Amino acid sequence: SAVISQKPSRDICQRGTSLTIQCQVDSQVTMMFWYRQQPGQSLTLIATANQGSEATYESGFVIDKFPISRPNLTFSTLTVSNMSPEDSSIYLCSAPRASGGGNTGELFFGEGSRLTVL
Amino acid sequence: AQSVSQHNHHVILSEAASLELGCNYSYGGTVNLFWYVQYPGQHLQLLLKYFSGDPLVKGIKGFEAEFIKSKFSFNLRKPSVQWSDTAEYFCAVNKAAGNKLTFGGGTRVLVKP
Repeated sequence: SAVISQKPSRDICQRGTSLTIQCQVDSQVTMMFWYRQQPGQSLTLIATANQGSEATYESGFVIDKFPISRPNLTFSTLTVSNMSPEDSSIYLCSAPRASGGGNTGELFFGEGSRLTVL
Repeated sequence: AQSVSQHNHHVILSEAASLELGCNYSYGGTVNLFWYVQYPGQHLQLLLKYFSGDPLVKGIKGFEAEFIKSKFSFNLRKPSVQWSDTAEYFCAVNKAAGNKLTFGGGTRVLVKP
């Protein structure tokens, strides 16, 4: 099974600042996904990060607010820009599990980055 | 767009009771179905999954789920819960050809010892 590590695991941020979250996967993956889990809510997909191309954002999320980098097949970053208290959430990175060279459709998740914006 | 709905937001039950969590999805094509679990303070873990074949799938820790295509449902069951099953449970779906998971709202389960 893949191991996904994120950092920071948690942070307290001031309003108006930006924070970059890093996600490292221990195997090469084509796609990586960034989710947000707001307090008491389910997971909402922010964007799909593809290596070598721009990220694909879901409705309600824009690149200016959540810029994403994907420099190689094992790493991605998500930046939360110009933060406000409404951005206080857990941000999770995920990647597909592969088996036998094929895609199982299953996702592994990192432990998440808990951001609190004051 | 596909969506997933979970019927119960909170469930409280005693140890040894049976558990059933409802999940319905809206998507007319072929889908993969998942149940994930998030124990307190831990990250999301896969409980079980359905891709094809036998609609009754068994997962870890004694959980099982039944896919009923005609009802667009994928309900999770456990005959006898333990205190350690206290967690939040998420139903999720993706299209057969892709990986983007759509999650339900989650159900918080509290098992009283």
